[in-house]
Amino acid sequence: DARVTQTPRHKVTEMGQEVTMRCQPILGHNTVFWYRQTMMQGLELLAYFRNRAPLDDSGMPKDRFSAEMPDATLATLKIQPSEPRDSAVYFCASGPTSLAETQYFGPGTRLLVL
Amino acid sequence: SQQGEEDPQALSIQEGENATMNCSYKTSINNLQWYRQNSGRGLVHLILIRSNEREKHSGRLRVTLDTSKKSSSLLITASRAADTASYFCATDAGRRALTFGSGTRLQVQP
Repeated sequence: DARVTQTPRHKVTEMGQEVTMRCQPILGHNTVFWYRQTMMQGLELLAYFRNRAPLDDSGMPKDRFSAEMPDATLATLKIQPSEPRDSAVYFCASGPTSLAETQYFGPGTRLLVL
Repeated sequence: SQQGEEDPQALSIQEGENATMNCSYKTSINNLQWYRQNSGRGLVHLILIRSNEREKHSGRLRVTLDTSKKSSSLLITASRAADTASYFCATDAGRRALTFGSGTRLQVQP
């Protein structure tokens, strides 16, 4: 049963600290997406990759967020320094081929920045 | 701005009743998808309908697409308490990744 996995599932940190979230996409999927979900803003697309290359990260605050895919089995989203307004659930999703076909979501990382 | 907007924002029905949710979008699309999100979980893909299709079924789900009106509806028949979740439409406008709407929160009372 192939699934997208994310770690950690929960993270509580203090303002100013670095936060790293990890995602393992489904093996063989070529596209990887990072989303942020809050009550106020809903589901926001932060960045996405195709064949490990970043295609669009216009949804991310560039000064503090960075997304990478060191290899095909790992995607990372880093926040440095973190701020209370970054508190949200961060989802990773992967898809088999094109950007617009079915996406498979991970369980999310619930981040609380104090 | 949101490409897809769901309506209503919230819906409460009794078990056994049908639930209908609507999605409107702004630009031409290649396909439209519906996802479900249970509380505290990731989104789960339900169904995809392409722009040249008008209706699609999957179990108790029925999706329609009217490209002339730029709208879609998701019908859940004979609802169950387990259908309680948020439902999102997502559109592919061909330019970039999917754009998700703000969702409809469905509550099915047992």
